[in-house]
Amino acid sequence: DVHLVESGGDLVQPGGSLRLSCAASGFTFSSSAMTWVRQAPGKGLEWVSSITVAGSKYYADSLKGRFTISRDDSKSTLYLQMNSLRVEDSAIYYCVVGRISVNGLDPWGQGTLVTVSS
Amino acid sequence: QSVLTQPPSVSAAPGQKVTISCSGTSSNIGKNYVSWYQHVPGAAPKLLMYENDKRPSGIPGRFSGSKSDTSATLGITGLQTGDEADYYCGTWDNSLSVGVFGGGTRLTVL
Repeated sequence: DVHLVESGGDLVQPGGSLRLSCAASGFTFSSSAMTWVRQAPGKGLEWVSSITVAGSKYYADSLKGRFTISRDDSKSTLYLQMNSLRVEDSAIYYCVVGRISVNGLDPWGQGTLVTVSS
Repeated sequence: QSVLTQPPSVSAAPGQKVTISCSGTSSNIGKNYVSWYQHVPGAAPKLLMYENDKRPSGIPGRFSGSKSDTSATLGITGLQTGDEADYYCGTWDNSLSVGVFGGGTRLTVL
């Protein structure tokens, strides 16, 4: 079975940094594009970032320059480095296999909670 | 303001049929596959439909998808109380080079 376990969510002050991790198992991670999606409290799903098998990276416009997606295929782990965090970045962050318009996003991890507050 | 437009809510009685629309533009739905997701609050979202009209294994035939030009539709027949959830459409936007979701539609089974 595919298993995705996110970690790294925490309470952080505005302007701070966090690194989220997503440990993957049960499939060939190195052959899979990966995506981060978030959901802020009371809001809908928001696409955050994707990384292809070849390492091409894509980001939501509001996040460019602050967030960095990366992957370590030797560890089957996806990362999201988040800098200059803002209150509006508070959300559950989901790690997902795939790209949104190529076979869809499936499956999803359980998510990790990021709270940005002073 | 979401790039893709969905109705905020739909409702129908058990056993009935409902459709959820997703409207986009020529740079997103018009040029890319659409996928649909079911999200029960407190759980992880689940893929319901990919490449416009394909169901992943385990998704019942009561769920269907279609796409025409710059719009897509999710259909659910034989509604069950367990179908109550938020439903999202998603695709890629070629002009923005980003993934995009609709604002979500809350389905209530009365």
